[in-house]
Amino acid sequence: EDQVTQSPEALRLQEGESSSLNCSYTVSGLRGLFWYRQDPGKGPEFLFTLYSAGEEKEKERLKATLTKKESFLHITAPKPEDSATYLCAVPPGNYGGSQGNLIFGKGTKLSVKP
Amino acid sequence: DGGITQSPKYLFRKEGQNVTLSCEQNLNHDAMYWYRQDPGQGLRLIYYSQIVNDFQKGDIAEGYSVSREKKESFPLTVTSAQKNPTAFYLCASSGAGHYEQYFGPGTRLTVT
Repeated sequence: EDQVTQSPEALRLQEGESSSLNCSYTVSGLRGLFWYRQDPGKGPEFLFTLYSAGEEKEKERLKATLTKKESFLHITAPKPEDSATYLCAVPPGNYGGSQGNLIFGKGTKLSVKP
Repeated sequence: DGGITQSPKYLFRKEGQNVTLSCEQNLNHDAMYWYRQDPGQGLRLIYYSQIVNDFQKGDIAEGYSVSREKKESFPLTVTSAQKNPTAFYLCASSGAGHYEQYFGPGTRLTVT
């Protein structure tokens, strides 16, 4: 069964304390992995797409990496404004779902204290 | 300025009433989606449409209905048959051949 699991569920950091969020996936034939940021009461905001193992993408203090089984979202020297829930998602594998649909993890809620 | 709009932002209804949530996009995307988000449950797919005049049930379609008469619009009706309709509803769209979805701001529905 296609599955996306994010850990930890919640992460509290002090401002400037770097850390990583994990997204592990089990799908046959990965066709992309997507990271989103969601602020409370708002819709998810698209951050990154990763397609192949070894690929990396960066945006400000965020860097996303991909292996054959998982993706990491590294947050370097975070600021309070980085506080949000971070979601990852993948399309269903070769034998499941309709093209275009995404399977979402439950997210990691990040809190950065000043 | 391209994007997805959802209206209203907050919606209150009495139990037993049907209610329709609006979703409009000007991104020229072919596919549109409706999700429901509850605390601790993540995003769950209600309905999706890959093309005008066609749509498919997602994982939790019972008690919901949709239409796709125009490329830009994908309204969701929450019917009185939906047993637990209070939730945050998100609409999304994606372009042809692309998996990444772009989301609207959401509608928070409260039914009492």
